[in-house]
Amino acid sequence: SYELTQPPSVSVSPGQTARITCSGDTLPKKYAYWYQQKSGQAPVLVISEDTKRPSGIPERFSGSSSGTMATLTISGAQVEDEADYYCYSTDSSGYYNVFGTGTKVTVL
Amino acid sequence: EVQLLESGGGLVQPGGSLRLSCAVSGFTFSNYAMHWVRQAPGKGLEWVSGTSGSGGGTYYADSVKGRFTISRDNSRSTLYLQMNSLRPEDTAVYYCAKDQGGNGYDSEGLDYWGQGTLVTVSS
Repeated sequence: SYELTQPPSVSVSPGQTARITCSGDTLPKKYAYWYQQKSGQAPVLVISEDTKRPSGIPERFSGSSSGTMATLTISGAQVEDEADYYCYSTDSSGYYNVFGTGTKVTVL
Repeated sequence: EVQLLESGGGLVQPGGSLRLSCAVSGFTFSNYAMHWVRQAPGKGLEWVSGTSGSGGGTYYADSVKGRFTISRDNSRSTLYLQMNSLRPEDTAVYYCAKDQGGNGYDSEGLDYWGQGTLVTVSS
């Protein structure tokens, strides 16, 4: 089965930049999407189609993709950005969707 | 305002069945693919199943294939998940989510989510 691999945790000081990577074999041909999930809440889409920021998402969130790796960047991280982050994409057939393993971001 | 409201969760014994529902409002339901995503306690997100806007295409994770059935009633703007032969490892919060596209395959990302319903499989 298809897998997307993320680092388990990332720590950053307030105001610094956090980068979360997502590795997958089909990412050169399939878009990556990024979700933020705070404790006890439903996930929220923060990046669509590798780089697009949905309405209402702060500008400090940005996305990029190169080869088999997609990256979510939080520039000037704030305490309220503490959450679990998941990438999401599709396998080569397009019929099976998968979430990444998840990354816990700590801002302190 | 887009709203998704799941219901039908609860406690069920191993081997039992449960049917989840997701009532939606605020968008033209039949135009969009819909998905079920689950999250076991303390674990990450797992895509479970998806269906195209028409309901003609259905897709499943290997972990639930042959046991779960996704369906939709576009006249009622409601998504369903019939879960049979439930196992303890199916214990999770189940979310319904709207796709940004209509196909069901090559998902275009999930832009709206419900608050989830808890399914517990235990004797």
